[in-house]
Amino acid sequence: AQSVTQLGSHVSVSEGALVLLRCNYSSSVPPYLFWYVQYPNQGLQLLLKYTSAATLVKGINGFEAEFKKSETSFHLTKPSAHMSDAAEYFCAVSDSRLGGSGNTGKLIFGQGTTLQVKP
Amino acid sequence: EAGVTQSPTHLIKTRGQQVTLRCSPISGHTSVYWYQQALGLGLQFLLWYDEGEERNRGNFPPRFSGRQFPNYSSELNVNALELEDSALYLCATAPDDSTGELFFGEGSRLTVL
Repeated sequence: AQSVTQLGSHVSVSEGALVLLRCNYSSSVPPYLFWYVQYPNQGLQLLLKYTSAATLVKGINGFEAEFKKSETSFHLTKPSAHMSDAAEYFCAVSDSRLGGSGNTGKLIFGQGTTLQVKP
Repeated sequence: EAGVTQSPTHLIKTRGQQVTLRCSPISGHTSVYWYQQALGLGLQFLLWYDEGEERNRGNFPPRFSGRQFPNYSSELNVNALELEDSALYLCATAPDDSTGELFFGEGSRLTVL
């Protein structure tokens, strides 16, 4: 069964500082991995996804994540935080291509990390 | 292009009542997923509908149910509401050939008193 652990429920950085949000996964099969962002009072928006192509994945708003199989990690980074990055971030794992054969339809989410950006 | 729309956005119910939440997918999306986001519990998978059929459900009691209509819109029904059902209910949709990206609505916030 798949699972996701996000290390740190709250992360606080200064504007312009590096953002690092940690995600470790557990999967018995090659995973599909995702980062979503949720701004206050809104639904979730996809930041980026890993689907077994390049291990370094670039997403929207300057975010990127690196898939490290040996460490079962998919940490999210951004070189320079902006005030508008303050939000809740969710890492998620799927065991299959949604819509493909064997698809369970489940996207398993981590508990989320709230990013605070200080001026 | 219109995104995923959910209604109502907010509602208040009392214990024992029933509620119906609605979701309209993005045009061309055939799969609908429901998630519960309760305070402190993260996002929990509820139900998955595809082509009008329930394909999978999460670890929720039978009083959580739903359906998908021929136009791919969906309803989530919750009977015999309990206090712990208070949460944000998120609908997400995906096209048939999705590589995993789900498109989320803004949710329906349910408060049970």
